[in-house]
Amino acid sequence: NAGVTQTPKFRILKIGQSMTLQCTQDMNHNYMYWYRQDPGMGLKLIYYSVGAGITDKGEVPNGYNVSRSTTEDFPLRLELAAPSQTSVYFCATRPLGESRWSYTFGSGTRLTVV
Amino acid sequence: GENVEQHPSTLSVQEGDSAVIKCTYSDSASNYFPWYKQELGKRPQLIIDIRSNVGEKKDQRIAVTLNKTAKHFSLHITETQPEDSAVYFCAASILTGGGNKLTFGTGTQLKVEL
Repeated sequence: NAGVTQTPKFRILKIGQSMTLQCTQDMNHNYMYWYRQDPGMGLKLIYYSVGAGITDKGEVPNGYNVSRSTTEDFPLRLELAAPSQTSVYFCATRPLGESRWSYTFGSGTRLTVV
Repeated sequence: GENVEQHPSTLSVQEGDSAVIKCTYSDSASNYFPWYKQELGKRPQLIIDIRSNVGEKKDQRIAVTLNKTAKHFSLHITETQPEDSAVYFCAASILTGGGNKLTFGTGTQLKVEL
């Protein structure tokens, strides 16, 4: 049981390049989230999904896209990378139902755009 | 949307002293308030949470209090130890509907000095 797996762990992108951050979970959790964490700051929600085929914008969605074709995978796509997207990206999941409310976080992807 | 403010941004205490971190939230519909601990370079980990139908919850040396009227909640750590040094984040969420999104505070860097 791996939990929430994020790849890659580190990446350096040049301005204008694109990439996909991968997030895979094996816990059969319905809810999945992408957050970014800028240095010395809290986590800000980029996109989230309540189930396969359903995604919605969070607080800071500009410059990103997501898809959720399966329960397990929730990739985050960066198009035309900009220095402002330098951050640590965390994927998180949560099961359906009020009895288990806490998020399970992945280990993060540290992205630098130069 | 929800807005969570957290204070102080840094907190330095002597080993054995108590530490208190305070958060306020804006959306009176929020009903779930977790606290996460993040060690340097690691993922956030849930340490304690509280529902809106409870005023206080305790787990060994940590406790959380909630004042729904004033819309604020606090984390209390007693008998602090060096391993308590980390960044602590509060968060707020509405658990039914809206994707159960967590809105995070900006974090408190706690340093426990010997």
